[in-house]
Amino acid sequence: NAGVTQTPKFRVLKTGQSMTLLCAQDMNHEYMYWYRQDPGMGLRLIHYSVGEGTTAKGEVPDGYNVSRLKKQNFLLGLESAAPSQTSVYFCASSSTGTRAFFGQGTRLTVV
Amino acid sequence: AQRVTQPEKLLSVFKGAPVELKCNYSYSGSPELFWYVQYSRQRLQLLLRHISRESIKGFTADLNKGETSFHLKKPFAQEEDSAMYYCALSDQGNTPLVFGKGTRLSVIA
Repeated sequence: NAGVTQTPKFRVLKTGQSMTLLCAQDMNHEYMYWYRQDPGMGLRLIHYSVGEGTTAKGEVPDGYNVSRLKKQNFLLGLESAAPSQTSVYFCASSSTGTRAFFGQGTRLTVV
Repeated sequence: AQRVTQPEKLLSVFKGAPVELKCNYSYSGSPELFWYVQYSRQRLQLLLRHISRESIKGFTADLNKGETSFHLKKPFAQEEDSAMYYCALSDQGNTPLVFGKGTRLSVIA
């Protein structure tokens, strides 16, 4: 039972570098989400997808792009990393848009 | 707009004492309310959802539509309850979950 798996678990980037975070789910869920978690800010939605080939902006989308080419995968890209993007990133999926299952998180540090 | 407010950033209680984590929401329709918990260095996991009306790990939560609240309660806190708790709202699945800022519960032995 893998559930929701995020890759990588940890990453350190230099300012201006790019990277892609991968989220994979094996529950055949339609909905997938990317959140960032910062101290005192809770979880804030970056982007989400309601099905293969669709994406939508969340609360804090600037500086990020996403793609959902396959139903089971949801990729989060940072084209030019900034220190403000230092955070813990969580991917989640759900079947109906309600109860969500979360990945283990990716701790990203931008120096 | 949907909004979830958790007024306490940190709540410290002694072991065996009652616990109440507050959650208020603003939403004009009929929301679904959830409590998620995150233990140290672990992923978020669902603790409760209001439609289930169940008790998990001794926790209960009642949706009060008049007061727009969904407070989480436990009569006797245990050390293993120490964690970060998030209240979340969904409008019947039409939009993604909206989370509060979280309350860190610390149970002191």
